[in-house]
Amino acid sequence: DQQVKQNSPSLSVQEGRISILNCDYTNSMFDYFLWYKKYPAEGPTFLISISSIKDKNEDGRFTVFLNKSAKHLSLHIVPSQPGDSAVYFCAASVGGNTPLVFGKGTRLSVIA
Amino acid sequence: DAGITQSPRYKITETGRQVTLMCHQTWSHSYMFWYRQDLGHGLRLIYYSAAADITDKGEVPDGYVVSRSKTENFPLTLESATRSQTSVYFCASSGPPVGASEQFFGPGTRLTVL
Repeated sequence: DQQVKQNSPSLSVQEGRISILNCDYTNSMFDYFLWYKKYPAEGPTFLISISSIKDKNEDGRFTVFLNKSAKHLSLHIVPSQPGDSAVYFCAASVGGNTPLVFGKGTRLSVIA
Repeated sequence: DAGITQSPRYKITETGRQVTLMCHQTWSHSYMFWYRQDLGHGLRLIYYSAAADITDKGEVPDGYVVSRSKTENFPLTLESATRSQTSVYFCASSGPPVGASEQFFGPGTRLTVL
């Protein structure tokens, strides 16, 4: 059973618009969440994180929102750029003290 | 150069053969990880290590063996490769805590088992 779900395998967005990537989790003990970005033929790279004491964390064009009651988080990219085209993985941990559990990823394509 | 390296980058082997994938990091990170990435499954943890001589199973450990005699190296061995182990393998490292520190990933090893 999947504990971290990214139900949209792919997403296409026009350059300059907002990209919203969604992630749901089933384990209510998860309280630390990270997003990673992956380009083809490269390893994933860390993008942004959030702990459950917050409901929002922002870093430049990237904002992560956490809705604990819905067990849902989302990554917003504004404005989207062609260089943002990549696979985005959501990951979660319990207390930051357990290994990360990753979702299956969402492939974002930003069209110029 | 500082970083995390994996070798080989590509490997083709046959069913039943032993294969070892190498991982080396220069940051002296305490934690190291092995993941596999497959279509439809995302990244799945195979094994991880909290320090030299301390290893633990992840989600999909069957068919794999790891060791960590030195902090900087974390080899992954497939003792008798099977076709289902055809995948892209990523090594990563991080400081503590294990689930809250940024993990730094290597470039991956694409393994094909014929």
